[in-house]
Amino acid sequence: SQQGEEDPQALSIQEGENATMNCSYKTSINNLQWYRQNSGRGLVHLILIRSNEREKHSGRLRVTLDTSKKSSSLLITASRAADTASYFCATTEYGNKLVFGAGTILRVKS
Amino acid sequence: EAGVTQFPSHSVIEKGQTVTLRCDPISGHDNLYWYRRVMGKEIKFLLHFVKESKQDESGMPNNRFLAERTGGTYSTLKVQPAELEDSGVYFCASSQGGAYGYTFGSGTRLTVV
Repeated sequence: SQQGEEDPQALSIQEGENATMNCSYKTSINNLQWYRQNSGRGLVHLILIRSNEREKHSGRLRVTLDTSKKSSSLLITASRAADTASYFCATTEYGNKLVFGAGTILRVKS
Repeated sequence: EAGVTQFPSHSVIEKGQTVTLRCDPISGHDNLYWYRRVMGKEIKFLLHFVKESKQDESGMPNNRFLAERTGGTYSTLKVQPAELEDSGVYFCASSQGGAYGYTFGSGTRLTVV
């Protein structure tokens, strides 16, 4: 089954604006993680939020988790051109394997 | 500490040829995972090693794909024969397991022409 379905699929904003991406999942989770993939490069772990946490911050990143709605959001504040990338949420299933969604393509125009 | 290393970073092969991807996990990480992102779609799990044993290979698409992890160190993923739909980015990740997070490699971009 597919977890971590993101929306929007693509987002285009101006530098300095905030970007919000949402993720929904289907089953119970221990944690939810957000990753970034710059074009043609590897996956970079951004932030992990545990199921008993509601909000977490890391620099310009803010993640929320609503387990009652099985949803999470990633907010990037004061976006930069370098934030242009694909963003994925992922949940953990049996064996600690990650289940990723389709991702949101973020484009920050300078 | 060295990260997860994957090579080659990019491979272009013809349909029907064989390609072997390699992943060197972080030293001491028993768990090694392979994932791939095909045609800009979602990232999908392929398989999971714990040391040299295959813990879960439910994501392997078909028998053209063969993964090994000799001695529980580095892992290889061989595609034989490669098909056009195998094109994509293949990621490897390792972890200590449990609550510890993953570290992903930079990926191998495979292009089958």
